[in-house]
Amino acid sequence: DTEVTQTPKHLVMGMTNKKSLKCEQHMGHRAMYWYKQKAKKPPELMFVYSYEKLSINESVPSRFSPECPNSSLLNLHLHALQPEDSALYLCASSQDSIGAYEQYFGPGTRLTVT
Amino acid sequence: AQKITQTQPGMFVQEKEAVTLDCTYDTSDPSYGLFWYKQPSSGEMIFLIYQGSYDQQNATEGRYSLNFQKARKSANLVISASQLGDSAMYFCAMREPFYGGSQGNLIFGKGTKLSVKP
Repeated sequence: DTEVTQTPKHLVMGMTNKKSLKCEQHMGHRAMYWYKQKAKKPPELMFVYSYEKLSINESVPSRFSPECPNSSLLNLHLHALQPEDSALYLCASSQDSIGAYEQYFGPGTRLTVT
Repeated sequence: AQKITQTQPGMFVQEKEAVTLDCTYDTSDPSYGLFWYKQPSSGEMIFLIYQGSYDQQNATEGRYSLNFQKARKSANLVISASQLGDSAMYFCAMREPFYGGSQGNLIFGKGTKLSVKP
């Protein structure tokens, strides 16, 4: 089973709202990732969790707050977002963050900030 | 710095024909991994195929094969017998060096949009 699930599939939120994106994998992977993808662009890495610890934060604004409650779950908490944050948010996992392991992606959450 | 270049923004192919999607990369590290992903309009990134820099043979996975030419730093994806369902965006990606404390993150090219004509 190479499935990564993400909820919700679509999210519309106002600039004053607080919402969370959820990601789950049951492949026993120890690395999980959040990417942001704008239309017609490649994914951009936001955060990397390795063994449930945040190992990379690619200078992401503090209005995005990641959380890894356990080895299977990854959340992205959103607060006071801007319209330019509207994008497809992809979660991925891999066996480890170090090594030639492929990353498996979820279906993504399409976020619209109004 | 590592870099991935996909020079074909869009391509058309007739159903049942083969198509090659180009990818060149630049790195000074001897150890790296190359990946191809497919992204349909639904948004999910689907892993297709992997080639390691030390692999002697070109990778193959069903109708997908990777034409790996190390001296030219190219890793082209060949799709044989194209199907309508192959219409999607295709991304070439390289894994950053995963030693010396690096996290081995993916660097993506800009992608090639493939359209399969019936």
